[in-house]
Amino acid sequence: GDSVTQMEGPVTLSEEAFLTINCTYTATGYPSLFWYVQYPGEGLQLLLKATKADDKGSNKGFEATYRKETTSFHLEKGSVQVSDSAVYFCARALGRGAQKLVFGQGTRLTINP
Amino acid sequence: DAGVIQSPRHEVTEMGQEVTLRCKPISGHNSLFWYRQTMMRGLELLIYFNNNVPIDDSGMPEDRFSAKMPNASFSTLKIQPSEPRDSAVYFCASSLAHQGGADTQYFGPGTRLTVL
Repeated sequence: GDSVTQMEGPVTLSEEAFLTINCTYTATGYPSLFWYVQYPGEGLQLLLKATKADDKGSNKGFEATYRKETTSFHLEKGSVQVSDSAVYFCARALGRGAQKLVFGQGTRLTINP
Repeated sequence: DAGVIQSPRHEVTEMGQEVTLRCKPISGHNSLFWYRQTMMRGLELLIYFNNNVPIDDSGMPEDRFSAKMPNASFSTLKIQPSEPRDSAVYFCASSLAHQGGADTQYFGPGTRLTVL
């Protein structure tokens, strides 16, 4: 079925470290892909998205590239900050034009000063 | 601009009581989603509406749960009777649906429900 698998957390890094959070999806067509972030006590908010193969989404220093060959959408940031501490969710749309999103289980990231 | 508004932010109730959660989507959006988030099950889609019509309610756990959207600016999620296992954070999200693909969903701050 349609699913999204994320790297299990929690992930703890020091400030300025390099971050990668892995995400893979099941390949039913070419769905839009998303990364959402949830800060403590808040709802999810869109971090970045990509709508077709080889697209790169980017925002706030985070990047993710839509790789159809490996059905992946890994999230990366070159130098993390304490303020990046949050839970990160990878998601895919259920087919072109579909409104439903399927979310991964979330990865909790903690950045220590 | 106001985002998605949910009320109440916190609700504590006793088992067997009726609970109603409320959501006001972003003005102009035509799709509305209700999610439930727990530690054990993560983020689950309960139901979503398009142009006020329920499109997919396959995630609604059981008959105790019901959702309505009487107009484009208001939706409710009702649990009757509530049970302790319903304790969770309930999120409402809205988006502007279009033909080209899934659009960004904007989430509200959530309602933290505790059923004693």
